[in-house]
Amino acid sequence: RKEVEQDPGPFNVPEGATVAFNCTYSNSASQSFFWYRQDCRKEPKLLMSVYSSGNEDGRFTAQLNRASQYISLLIRDSKLSDSATYLCVVNQRGSYIPTFGRGTSLIVHP
Amino acid sequence: GAVVSQHPSRVICKSGTSVKIECRSLDFQATTMFWYRQFPKQSLMLMATSNEGSKATYEQGVEKDKFLINHASLTLSTLTVTSAHPEDSSFYICSARDDSGNNQPQHFGDGTRLSIL
Repeated sequence: RKEVEQDPGPFNVPEGATVAFNCTYSNSASQSFFWYRQDCRKEPKLLMSVYSSGNEDGRFTAQLNRASQYISLLIRDSKLSDSATYLCVVNQRGSYIPTFGRGTSLIVHP
Repeated sequence: GAVVSQHPSRVICKSGTSVKIECRSLDFQATTMFWYRQFPKQSLMLMATSNEGSKATYEQGVEKDKFLINHASLTLSTLTVTSAHPEDSSFYICSARDDSGNNQPQHFGDGTRLSIL
């Protein structure tokens, strides 16, 4: 079983839709969590950190469920520009190497 | 916010050439930097962890003599692809994490697109 798993998608949604992705992690010692966005042929860019209490940044909401060992990303009112691959990254206690999910592809269409 | 600068952004050269890529953290110190490679439509693949003042740690299957890493200061790591061949053509990306805390996110350089003819 992979340490960090994501549904690769693609998630194909119309503009204005709400879409949510999950990312599960296997190591209960995981201590910090992040969502990145990667556009085609570009480097990943930090979208948001994920805090235990959940956090929101505009149309984006991230949540952490430690009991079930997953994090989620909710995007409201999808825009065409939200089309990208969304990567889940987990830092594990005692390891300095971040663990990446394989990414979830989102396509927002008119 | 934290910025990582990677240079050059694009390299096209002949087979057999060695190519050096630089990765700099511009406004923070990074004892550890990471080098990734990504082929089209594939996930990021960690190649090696670059450690300031000591040898890099390479992932399984990555040749250390082929991909030379030097981390001479807390803000600079370099990756040299030695005697590059067409199969080395790929998108190389570095990342760095601020030393100030264990829960800091990584920040990525813009990537280097390497094309070997």
